[in-house]
Amino acid sequence: NAGVTQTPKFRVLKTGQSMTLLCAQDMNHEYMYWYRQDPGMGLRLIHYSVGEGTTAKGEVPDGYNVSRLKKQNFLLGLESAAPSQTSVYFCASTSGVLGYTFGSGTRLTVV
Amino acid sequence: AQSVTQPDIHITVSEGASLELRCNYSYGATPYLFWYVQSPGQGLQLLLKYFSGDTLVQGIKGFEAEFKRSQSSFNLRKPSVHWSDAAEYFCAVGAFREYGNKLVFGAGTILRVKS
Repeated sequence: NAGVTQTPKFRVLKTGQSMTLLCAQDMNHEYMYWYRQDPGMGLRLIHYSVGEGTTAKGEVPDGYNVSRLKKQNFLLGLESAAPSQTSVYFCASTSGVLGYTFGSGTRLTVV
Repeated sequence: AQSVTQPDIHITVSEGASLELRCNYSYGATPYLFWYVQSPGQGLQLLLKYFSGDTLVQGIKGFEAEFKRSQSSFNLRKPSVHWSDAAEYFCAVGAFREYGNKLVFGAGTILRVKS
């Protein structure tokens, strides 16, 4: 089925470890986004991309890096995980016309 | 930049009663507005969206929302709530005419349904 796929779905990290979250979409969307969701704060934009090879900072970019080497993939990296990065991460994509498609989320716990 | 306010953090309604969830937005141009629902531990499901035209929008699961430009509001309504509607609801505004086509979310309203 067409859509947005996030891997992994769950992960536990120790403080200081690094990891990469993968987002893949098969709808040929130009725009891709990474959000984090925390209780009482809704979804906040971390980074986004307006096309292959581009990235831009969102509302809460500190501690994260991203890359979009291929149009269909948008990677979110944590170089040195901190407990404050415990959250649920959602990826989304859009063509900019019909609305957004969201992945099912990645639940990350940093201990 | 756009912003969204959902004034109610929690709302409790009785099953069968009517529901209205409030959403106010701030955006300089014509907004694109969305309501999403999230059940515990689940992803986001789109309930409805407003791009243009009729200001009363019908969505899935019997929900509707009304866009009121003069009040900068996009409130979600349902005439009769079912226990399965208990979830968290997010209002969002999209800036499709600005760089990045970013979607900005409100903080969410948690709906509890009592029997």
